[in-house]
Amino acid sequence: EMQLVESGGDLVHPGGSLRLSCAASGFTFRNYWTSWVRQAPGKGLEWVANIKQDGSEQYYADSVRGRFTISRDNAKNSLYLLMNSLGADDTATYYCARVGGVWYFDLWGRGTQVAVS
Amino acid sequence: DIQMTQSPSSLSASVGDRVTITCQASQDIKKYLDWYQQKPGKAPKLLIYDASTLETGVPSRFTGSGYGKDFTFTIMSLQPEDIATYYCQQYNDLPWTFGQGTKVEIK
Repeated sequence: EMQLVESGGDLVHPGGSLRLSCAASGFTFRNYWTSWVRQAPGKGLEWVANIKQDGSEQYYADSVRGRFTISRDNAKNSLYLLMNSLGADDTATYYCARVGGVWYFDLWGRGTQVAVS
Repeated sequence: DIQMTQSPSSLSASVGDRVTITCQASQDIKKYLDWYQQKPGKAPKLLIYDASTLETGVPSRFTGSGYGKDFTFTIMSLQPEDIATYYCQQYNDLPWTFGQGTKVEIK
């Protein structure tokens, strides 16, 4: 079964840092772009960042550029999100998502919760 | 950034009803739009991509149409298990952006 499982969410103080992880299984992880998408409590979805199959390209939403870093380790079938200078607006459930086909998200994890307070 | 305007924000319909949600992009996105279903406490699920292509395994009562700036998502016959929030998303250009969501409830 294809799966993405996020971990690393926690309660952090404003200005703090956190590293999220996403473990992929059941498919060839290195063949896919992958992304982080977040959802603030009771709000809609917001794309956060993308990374190319080999990690050579990354793209970020303006709201996180310069503070967040997306990375991957294909040998470990894992995706990461290093989050620095966290603020209340970063409070959300963070989903790991596989980019399939053209550019849509065809596989999602269950999410990990980040609270900044 | 491309703004996605989704309407209505919520709706209530009876089982068996036809339900329609619209999504308008602030600029031409060609066919690069998809639709997701999100049930409470769950991750989103891809239903339709490239505006009208049904994802494998998704029931055929879900349909999508449109091109350019105006798109429509339809549930042909609403079922109790379709209670969820539905989101459109454009992937024509970065940053990829979502509509604000439509919450579908049973009357």
